[in-house]
Amino acid sequence: RKEVEQDPGPFNVPEGATVAFNCTYSNSASQSFFWYRQDCRKEPKLLMSVYSSGNEDGRFTAQLNRASQYISLLIRDSKLSDSATYLCAVNGAGGSYIPTFGRGTSLIVHP
Amino acid sequence: NAGVTQTPKFQVLKTGQSMTLQCAQDMNHEYMSWYRQDPGMGLRLIHYSVGAGITDQGEVPNGYNVSRSTTEDFPLRLLSAAPSQTSVYFCASGRGVETQYFGPGTRLLVL
Repeated sequence: RKEVEQDPGPFNVPEGATVAFNCTYSNSASQSFFWYRQDCRKEPKLLMSVYSSGNEDGRFTAQLNRASQYISLLIRDSKLSDSATYLCAVNGAGGSYIPTFGRGTSLIVHP
Repeated sequence: NAGVTQTPKFQVLKTGQSMTLQCAQDMNHEYMSWYRQDPGMGLRLIHYSVGAGITDQGEVPNGYNVSRSTTEDFPLRLLSAAPSQTSVYFCASGRGVETQYFGPGTRLLVL
């Protein structure tokens, strides 16, 4: 089993829809969790950190479920500009403090 | 601030040639790393450094060397290029190992 797993998608949703992605991790001792966004042929950019209490930034909500070992990203009122690949990163997933990235989930928002 | 810069943007090599991918950051970050990204494989860590003079191997270090003589620079050397090293290479930096700021990437084709 890979240390960090994501459904590659693509998730194909209409504008205005709500969509959620999950990212599972195998090491229960993992400490820090992040979501990155990567546009086509661009570098990944930090979207948001994931805190134990969950956090929200506008239309984006990130949550952590330690018991089931996954993090989630919820996007409300999807925009065309949300189309991208969303990568999760988990520190400590491989038994060290170095971040391990998931392979990413592709989101396509259509009119 | 320029952030993280990488040169060149594109490179074509012949099998057996060597080259150095340049990476520089102006944010005074201690942590720097190199990733390669291949279709379906996600981001894989090649080498990383937690400060000047300190480097360590990541998940896929074979065929690559790094050095960190200054805080700002972290070059990646391909010793003898192979077609399997065709990839997109990203350099990243961070104040710690957690949140990462990525450079724009170098697209490498090895013939």
